[in-house]
Amino acid sequence: AQTVTQSQPEMSVQEAETVTLSCTYDTSESNYYLFWYKQPPSRQMILVIRQEAYKQQNATENRFSVNFQKAAKSFSLKISDSQLGDTAMYFCAFMKHANFNKFYFGSGTKLNVKP
Amino acid sequence: DVKVTQSSRYLVKRTGEKVFLECVQDMDHENMFWYRQDPGLGLRLIYFSYDVKMKEKGDIPEGYSVSREKKERFSLILESASTNQTSMYLCASSLEGEGADTQYFGPGTRLTVL
Repeated sequence: AQTVTQSQPEMSVQEAETVTLSCTYDTSESNYYLFWYKQPPSRQMILVIRQEAYKQQNATENRFSVNFQKAAKSFSLKISDSQLGDTAMYFCAFMKHANFNKFYFGSGTKLNVKP
Repeated sequence: DVKVTQSSRYLVKRTGEKVFLECVQDMDHENMFWYRQDPGLGLRLIYFSYDVKMKEKGDIPEGYSVSREKKERFSLILESASTNQTSMYLCASSLEGEGADTQYFGPGTRLTVL
């Protein structure tokens, strides 16, 4: 089975600053996808960003970007210019290609953005 | 936009009761999933379904069953609820096939078993 590890249970950042959330995973697969999902307090989980393993270029979505290190099996999320609305639980997830889209999630990182 | 809805946001049940959690998606997705979310454990897959009437066990199926009679609806059943099933339950759906990868989540049902 695949495993996904988020070693930071909770983090804090000041508004407008940059923060990086860590994620490592363990797999023997070569073709897979990685995701970061955001779950705001009492609100629905939404996709933040996704990365296809065969693409070497790191994905970016506005203030969100990833540092994908395939050999190291590392997939960190960088949030630039943090906003109060970024306060949420962040989950890293792994999906093996062509496997009914089964996801494997990390334990989550609670991010607090302080004014 | 994909919409995934769950029948209740909060539910309180007694030990031994039969509990039904309903999930509906409106985007004709083939795959549907039930997870439970517990602090420090992330999301763990209970069951998933890749087609009507088809189901597969996830990582923690004990104490649960599922039903998928229509493509848009996926039900999670707790045959005899126990206190250790107190948790947040999340439903998700996704397309199947090449290029389909993202899961879309419902708002969750926070179940308390007394």
